[in-house]
Amino acid sequence: GENVEQHPSTLSVQEGDSAVIKCTYSDSASNYFPWYKQELGKRPQLIIDIRSNVGEKKDQRIAVTLNKTAKHFSLHITETQPEDSAVYFCAASIPPSNFGNEKLTFGTGTRLTIIP
Amino acid sequence: DGGITQSPKYLFRKEGQNVTLSCEQNLNHDAMYWYRQDPGQGLRLIYYSQIVNDFQKGDIAEGYSVSREKKESFPLTVTSAQKNPTAFYLCASSMAAGDYEQYFGPGTRLTVT
Repeated sequence: GENVEQHPSTLSVQEGDSAVIKCTYSDSASNYFPWYKQELGKRPQLIIDIRSNVGEKKDQRIAVTLNKTAKHFSLHITETQPEDSAVYFCAASIPPSNFGNEKLTFGTGTRLTIIP
Repeated sequence: DGGITQSPKYLFRKEGQNVTLSCEQNLNHDAMYWYRQDPGQGLRLIYYSQIVNDFQKGDIAEGYSVSREKKESFPLTVTSAQKNPTAFYLCASSMAAGDYEQYFGPGTRLTVT
């Protein structure tokens, strides 16, 4: 099955600097890569996602890049703010099939702390 | 934050007892999921259901059971066979299984002593 590795496990950056979180996946058939943000005491929420037919996607200060050849994808947060402090999870999903593998496999999470 | 609810928020049980966690959604989603969240281990899939009356084991199904009798409801039973049941449990739903956004409930923190 799919295996997703996420690095680093913790990351501290100065407010205003950029943060980068990286994930690798094992199944070359994976075609959907979402990122979820979980603030302290709250539920995870989708912040951005990318599909395998696209190399990069941006949404204001957040961007995700995908390298299918190397099987890795990254989350980039620019001009970080205190409200960016949270745990971020990457995930990967393979296309629906008859084998019942239609599910997300999550990375282990990155705790991002923004230092004022 | 509406749409998918879990109850209760905190649950305490004695070892050896079965306990059922509730998950309800009014988003008309076909797919529902149960995850377990432990520190440093991310979100691990317990069971998922793509449609009513059907469900499949995830990566850590041992010691858990589910049912999907209604589209809106996907209860999880933590049985006495689960060796380390104390954890934070998250329910989620999506329009369909696979590459669709998952919406999470607020979670239930289960403590077994």
